[in-house]
Amino acid sequence: QLVLTQSPSASAPLGASVKLTCTLSSGHSSYAIAWHQQQSEKGPRYLMKLNSDGSHSKGDGIPDRFSGSSSGAERYLTISSLQSEDEADYYCQTWGTGIRVFGGGTKLTVL
Amino acid sequence: QVQLVESGGGVVQPGRSLRLSCAASGFTFSSYTLHWVRQAPGKGLEWVAFISYDGVNKFYADSAKGRFTISRDNSKNTLYLQLNSLRAEDTAVYYCARDTIAAPGDLDVWGKGTTVTVSS
Repeated sequence: QLVLTQSPSASAPLGASVKLTCTLSSGHSSYAIAWHQQQSEKGPRYLMKLNSDGSHSKGDGIPDRFSGSSSGAERYLTISSLQSEDEADYYCQTWGTGIRVFGGGTKLTVL
Repeated sequence: QVQLVESGGGVVQPGRSLRLSCAASGFTFSSYTLHWVRQAPGKGLEWVAFISYDGVNKFYADSAKGRFTISRDNSKNTLYLQLNSLRAEDTAVYYCARDTIAAPGDLDVWGKGTTVTVSS
């Protein structure tokens, strides 16, 4: 079964960097994912597509502070030079034939 | 600019029906697979259904099978979601989203959502 696992919460100080993790279920380590950001009371916003080799393509207008990387079944989103507006929920998402799957989301707090 | 705008949400009694709409602009609507995704209060995102660019292929999450129907009108640049036999657990914000065109899989454009509340 295709499942994505995320830690429920993360925090980091203003100006620092943070690395969020999304783990693919067993047997699905070659899958690409997408990262989405959801600020409070807003709709989601597409950040990037992240491939298993770590290559990624970002959505329109996404700052260079956002980057992605991969290792095995793990997919990462790194946000550098944290700003207050980065405080949000971050969801990973993947896909199979006839299905789309979301991780449970990570709530990022900027201290 | 590329935009998706949902409408049709509201308060509805259990067992009743509702039809949601999603109006698209700024892109060639008939070329894209489109999705409905929902978010219950305080919960994460849950994919509900998607429909191929031509309306031929439709797929549903288990929670939607048999009760929800996705459709589209490419002449009106509009996506629909018919919600039947509504339950309290269907209470959520419903978002429409566009799939990427080059290699479908990730959802690259989202609407702002419409709220459905199922309550007696």
